[in-house]
Amino acid sequence: AQTVTQSQPEMSVQEAETVTLSCTYDTSESDYYLFWYKQPPSRQMILVIRQEAYKQQNATENRFSVNFQKAAKSFSLKISDSQLGDAAMYFCAYRTNTGGFKTIFGAGTRLFVKA
Amino acid sequence: GAGVSQTPSNKVTEKGKYVELRCDPISGHTALYWYRQSLGQGPEFLIYFQGTGAADDSGLPNDRFFAVRPEGSVSTLKIQRTERGDSAVYLCASSLTGGGVLETQYFGPGTRLLVL
Repeated sequence: AQTVTQSQPEMSVQEAETVTLSCTYDTSESDYYLFWYKQPPSRQMILVIRQEAYKQQNATENRFSVNFQKAAKSFSLKISDSQLGDAAMYFCAYRTNTGGFKTIFGAGTRLFVKA
Repeated sequence: GAGVSQTPSNKVTEKGKYVELRCDPISGHTALYWYRQSLGQGPEFLIYFQGTGAADDSGLPNDRFFAVRPEGSVSTLKIQRTERGDSAVYLCASSLTGGGVLETQYFGPGTRLLVL
């Protein structure tokens, strides 16, 4: 069964600094997709960034980038120049073509940003 | 509408009661998903609709849970004989076609259900 593990329940970063959130996953599939979602206190999940497993190049979206290590089944999120508005829960998620329409989420990491 | 909306925002009920949770997807989105998020956990898939039909209901935990989408837009998640373990935030999401694994799912703010 596919699982997604986020080993950091909480992380803290100083405003304008860089922080990395960790995620590992377990799968026997070769073709899959990985996502990072942000959930602010409003509870509304927002897609931050996504990565196709067949692509070796790490995805980047403005201040957000990933370090995708397929062999290690690792998918970390790096947030550069952290802003107060980045404070939220962050969820790593996994999805496959063969998995139907299920998205499997990790337990989340709560990110605090200090002014 | 501008985004996915869910009503009510919060619902408190007593053990054994029946509840209905409503989801209004983005206009024109044919795919609709329900997730359940327990305290301290990530969302857990419940059911996926393509139009009016449930294409995948494998995440529904038991037969007390049921969902409908009769006209292919608004969906209602129904929970019978509620139990304290049903307490969670129920999230709804929609996407344009549901045809692609990378298609962006837009989430609503959820309904927080508390069963006393």
